[in-house]
Amino acid sequence: DTGVSQNPRHKITKRGQNVTFRCDPISEHNRLYWYRQTLGQGPEFLTYFQNEAQLEKSRLLSDRFSAERPKGSFSTLEIQRTEQGDSAMYLCASKDGMDYGYTFGSGTRLTVV
Amino acid sequence: AQKVTQAQTEISVVEKEDVTLDCVYETRDTTYYLFWYKQPPSGELVFLIRRNSFDEQNEISGRYSWNFQKSTSSFNFTITASQVVDSAVYFCALTYTGNQFYFGTGTSLTVIP
Repeated sequence: DTGVSQNPRHKITKRGQNVTFRCDPISEHNRLYWYRQTLGQGPEFLTYFQNEAQLEKSRLLSDRFSAERPKGSFSTLEIQRTEQGDSAMYLCASKDGMDYGYTFGSGTRLTVV
Repeated sequence: AQKVTQAQTEISVVEKEDVTLDCVYETRDTTYYLFWYKQPPSGELVFLIRRNSFDEQNEISGRYSWNFQKSTSSFNFTITASQVVDSAVYFCALTYTGNQFYFGTGTSLTVIP
């Protein structure tokens, strides 16, 4: 297994456009997490899935954000009508339910111009 | 409320010097887990260590050591004989559910050859 994979690595978009990121977790991990990291800050929790169920959402996840994990494998994070404040690194992580440590992907860096 | 404070924003040391990264946390829970992650320039957060709130034994792993003190709510990280490859941003994190992690703002360590 090659770890947690995120695509694309970089995304530049114009304000108002929609963007979608993909995360492929470690195959045997049933929990998948999305975090957002802005420059000079630590990662901030957005949401997590256990299998295909989205169990928790942060208040940071405004109605312009939606995440899915339709078959309990890969996940997508969509941002609609992007704003400059959405510019950040979006990190995905996964873990086995019994393990308290995450394995992170390398992230998708979003720049909204 | 859960909070992690890393007061040191940036640290520079000369290679082979020892360096300690500070982490102070706040939580009302009696059961919680503390973590350290390393984030190299590539962006991927790399797990270093996990401690639970009932285990205050210090831990050493090669050049890395961790000092957990519940009395001062601190979980400090020391790198002995630093190397250039240790240059990265280091994050301390706290969780009580194992799902949502609370990260500090990170300490950027530069090891000068």
